[in-house]
Parts: sequence; structure tokens; C-alpha cells
Amino acid sequence: GAVVSQHPSRVICKSGTSVKIECRSLDFQATTMFWYRQFPKQSLMLMATSNEGSKATYEQGVEKDKFLINHASLTLSTLTVTSAHPEDSSFYICSASDPGQGSYEQYFGPGTRLTVT
Amino acid sequence: AQSVSQHNHHVILSEAASLELGCNYSYGGTVNLFWYVQYPGQHLQLLLKYFSGDPLVKGIKGFEAEFIKSKFSFNLRKPSVQWSDTAEYFCAVLSSGGYQKVTFGTGTKLQVIP
Repeated sequence: GAVVSQHPSRVICKSGTSVKIECRSLDFQATTMFWYRQFPKQSLMLMATSNEGSKATYEQGVEKDKFLINHASLTLSTLTVTSAHPEDSSFYICSASDPGQGSYEQYFGPGTRLTVT
Repeated sequence: AQSVSQHNHHVILSEAASLELGCNYSYGGTVNLFWYVQYPGQHLQLLLKYFSGDPLVKGIKGFEAEFIKSKFSFNLRKPSVQWSDTAEYFCAVLSSGGYQKVTFGTGTKLQVIP
């Protein structure tokens, strides 16, 4: 099946610094990628949807200047958490799909645990 | 806005017991429905999906789900669970209409006791 990877799997950073998380589709071209945030004991919250070559669509309440998303190619999307604060500590998960194949199935990455100290 | 409710937050079963996890959604239009599973230490994987056709959908590992439009439900079932089914299960809804947004339920933790 389709594989999505994320890097890094775990990152610890100091408050005020920026962190970049990569999401790659390894064996298919992902025209659409999604970024989710998962809080402990809660569901996945969609942060934004990105389509290759265009600006990301952010969900209500998600600051686009804080969570920068770049979908530079059909296999790579990046999420940059700018000026991170402890409340940004969370589990970030990306997923990818290729609706052109007629399926809206999303393939999920393993997630990135961000801890801001 | 669409929403998804999973009423069971934590379910504990003995091996060989039957399983049914509830999922209800609220959305008036055409929906596509999914169940995802997250095994301990692993990432989300698709268990099964419903797009159209037969409302009884069969997925991997003996799971099935039934779409009942009149009840806005998509419950997950398995006749006989195994210890290896211990995981967290998420129901998800994709609304139709071009904007590909999936809304997830809060998840149900299933613990199967050998």
C-alpha cells in the first residue's frame, strides 16, 4: 500500500525557535496533503489542507502565519511551526491522498511529537 | 458543519467476544465514511470505507461496517475479537462537494483481554 513518512519523528525545541516537519509520500504522487494535530486523548484536528503548487487552506482558528505549510512537490509537504511556544507541543500527523485516482482515501504518516520547552 | 460522534470511549472485551463500535455523523449531504485503526505504537491505517453501493462494507481482518442512512450511522462490527485487535479505532466522514475535508470522531480504545 501507499506509504507516507514524516521526519523527524520526535523533536524538542526551545520556546521562540522554529521547527520544520516534513511529510513525504514514498510511492505515489500526492496531489493533496493534510496536516492534523492530535491532543492527548482527543481526536485528530484538521489544521490545513494543501494542494501541490497552491496555497494551503487553513481551518478556522489555525494561524496561517504560525503554521506555515509548503507543498512544493507532489511528494513533499512541510509544516513549519514558527516561534514555537509550549502550547504548541503536540502530536502532528500528516496524510496524503491522490484524488485523481478516484479515491479519497488518506494515507497517514507516523506522526511527529513536538515538545517545546 | 459536519461532526462525528463515537459514543464508546473505552471498550474492554474478552477474546472471542463480539464487537460493535458506534459511529454517528451529522451531515445532510452525500458522505463517504471510513474506519481507521491505530495499533499501539503505529500510525493510522484504513480498516474499511464506504463510498456507495452495498451499505454493508467488509474490511480487513474480519471487520465490517454497516451504513444506515436513516440513522446517520456507520457502526463497526467484528463477530469474534482477538487480542491483536487491541487498538484505537476512529470513525471518519468525508463530505462531498469538492472540498476534501475529513472529520474524525474522538476515537474508541478497544482492549481485548486474552
